[in-house]
Order: sequence, then C-alpha cells, then structure tokens
Amino acid sequence: QVQLQQSGPGLVKPSQTLSLTCAISGDSVSSNSGAWNWIRQSPSRGLEWLGRTYYRSKWYYDYADSVKSRTTINPDTSKNQFSLHLNYVTPEDTAVYYCAGGAGTIDSWGQGTLVTVSS
Amino acid sequence: EIVMTQSPDTLSVSPGERATLSCRASQSVSSNLAWYQQKPGQAPSLLIYDASTRATGIPARFSGSGSGTEFTLTISGLQSEDFAVYYCQQYTDLWTFGQGTKVEIK
Repeated sequence: QVQLQQSGPGLVKPSQTLSLTCAISGDSVSSNSGAWNWIRQSPSRGLEWLGRTYYRSKWYYDYADSVKSRTTINPDTSKNQFSLHLNYVTPEDTAVYYCAGGAGTIDSWGQGTLVTVSS
Repeated sequence: EIVMTQSPDTLSVSPGERATLSCRASQSVSSNLAWYQQKPGQAPSLLIYDASTRATGIPARFSGSGSGTEFTLTISGLQSEDFAVYYCQQYTDLWTFGQGTKVEIK
C-alpha cells in the first residue's frame, strides 16, 4: 500500500516561494505506471489539480494552466520523493495542499498541509 | 481545460432515502470519470472509477452511471456515514474536479 508523507512550512510570505515535499513509501517515484501529483483545496477554488510528474523512459511534467508559469514539480529519485515549488505566491494561494499518487484516479493521498500566505 | 459542473450544490436527504448527484463535463470525457467522498478534515476517498466501477470496499448502495458528458452518482438507502461532500473528477485530459455536492441530513 502506497503511503505519502508531506513536509514543508505552513506559512509563506507574499511574493515568496511555497515549497512542499512528498515522501513515497510502497512505490517508486520512477515507477513506469505511476504518476505523482499536487492538488490544493480552498473554499474559493475547491479542489484544484496543480500538476504532475511521471516517468516513462524519461521524465514528463504537466501543469494546470492556472499555475503553469510559476510552478515546478521535481522528482528526487535518491530520496524517493517529489516536490512542489510555487513562485510569487499571493493570499489567493492559501489552501490545503495535498500530494497524490495516481495516473488516472487518485490511488493515494498525503495528509494535507495547510499553507497560509500572509506577511 | 475540461470544466466539470456538479448539481445541486447541496442536497438535503433523510436517512434511508436515495440521493442522486449529477456531474456534467464541458466536453466528452468518455468513461474517464471518478467520484470521491470527502468528510471534514480528511482527504477525498475514491468511490467510483471508470464512471460505474466501485472501488475496493465500497458498498453496493453506491452506483455510478453515464458516459460522454453526463454522469450520475446514486446513493441508495443513505446511512449516517454517507453525509459528506462528493466530487467528480475527469481524467481524460489531465485532471479537473467538479465544485462538489454536499449531502446533508434533512
């Protein structure tokens, strides 16, 4: 059974970068059938998929149009984890952030991290 | 981007009754549609995938139907633990979610 453990700060200042990490157990970030996603949830925006990375002989990256210009998702094969970096955050980026595993449906979830953007 | 629209926003149902939730896609997603249940303080959990297949361990009172752009989640004989928020998700073209339907006790 796949387990995902998130880590990262709960408070970020406006214009700075939000960074979160998701450690994977029970699967590999380099799996040829998996995909590793970031999703956020807020009262104003609901559930919003942010992006994903996956490995199919090479690494692929997809991002939601709404955050594409300021988002990076990176795999770390040495630690079997992946990360989210969201640049130039504003208070509208305040949300619960989840990492999630799955190529179609969501098979596993991290525990969620409430990230507040405030000075 | 494929836009998913759920209706109604809130559904008031008495225990034991049937709840019918709808999800509409802005363009065809074939049968690449999933339903999730979310309870307060928890991540969503998978109920239905491929529009009509129950996930492992999901009771038979949950059923899904539809294809293309129109989908339905039916909960027959609502039990106390079923009062929650339900989301649809398409996975034809990346991922997008509906805004959710809250099923509350009438």
